[in-house]
Amino acid sequence: DTEVTQTPKHLVMGMTNKKSLKCEQHMGHRAMYWYKQKAKKPPELMFVYSYEKLSINESVPSRFSPECPNSSLLNLHLHALQPEDSALYLCASSRQSTNEKLFFGSGTQLSVL
Amino acid sequence: GQQVMQIPQYQHVQEGEDFTTYCNSSTTLSNIQWYKQRPGGHPVFLIQLVKSGEVKKQKRLTFQFGEAKKNSSLHITATQTTDVGTYFCAGSPGSARQLTFGSGTQLTVLP
Repeated sequence: DTEVTQTPKHLVMGMTNKKSLKCEQHMGHRAMYWYKQKAKKPPELMFVYSYEKLSINESVPSRFSPECPNSSLLNLHLHALQPEDSALYLCASSRQSTNEKLFFGSGTQLSVL
Repeated sequence: GQQVMQIPQYQHVQEGEDFTTYCNSSTTLSNIQWYKQRPGGHPVFLIQLVKSGEVKKQKRLTFQFGEAKKNSSLHITATQTTDVGTYFCAGSPGSARQLTFGSGTQLTVLP
C-alpha cells in the first residue's frame, strides 16, 4: 500500500462551522505533513509531525489545529475559517525525515463561504 | 525568506517539441526533488538528486543538479500530451529542515 488517503475530497463550510480533515497512511512513514495549495501556486507547508510530535508549525493561524492520534493518522481541525482559507489542503508523508520524498494524498478541496 | 525560483512560469509547446524548466536557489541545496501535478490532481514525486553535477534519466525525462548544488533542470524530449501538468522542483535551501517548493512551470502540450 503506497497510498495516502484523505477525506473528504470536497468540503464546503461556513465561517462559524467546525470541521475536520482526515489523512491516513499505512506505509509505516514517521513524518506527516499538511500543505495548503492555492490555484496555480506551489504547495505551502503548514505543519510537520515527526514521530507523532509536532516539529514544524509555519506560523499558521490558530483557527487551524493539527492532531496526530497515532503514526498512521493525521487530522486538521478547522474552526472559524475565513473565505481566504479556501484552497486545496494536501496531506503528505515521508519515510522518516523532512528531506525525503513526499507521498501526497489527493487532497481536500475546501470552500469557505 | 529563503526561496527556490523556477522558470518559466508557463510553457506552451507543440507535441513532439522539447521542453525545459529551470530551478534556482540563492543558497546551496542539500538535495533537489521534482514533482509533477496533473490538472485537478496532486503532486507526484518524480526523482531526487543529491550529488553535485548529478544527471538522471527516466525515459524522455532528463534531470540535472548543478555543480554548485544551487540549480537544477528538467528536460523533456519529444513532449506528448500525457506530459501536460505543472512541474515543481523542491529543495532544502541552506540550513532549512523542510522542503521549499519552486513556483512551478505549467506545461501545455498542443496536439
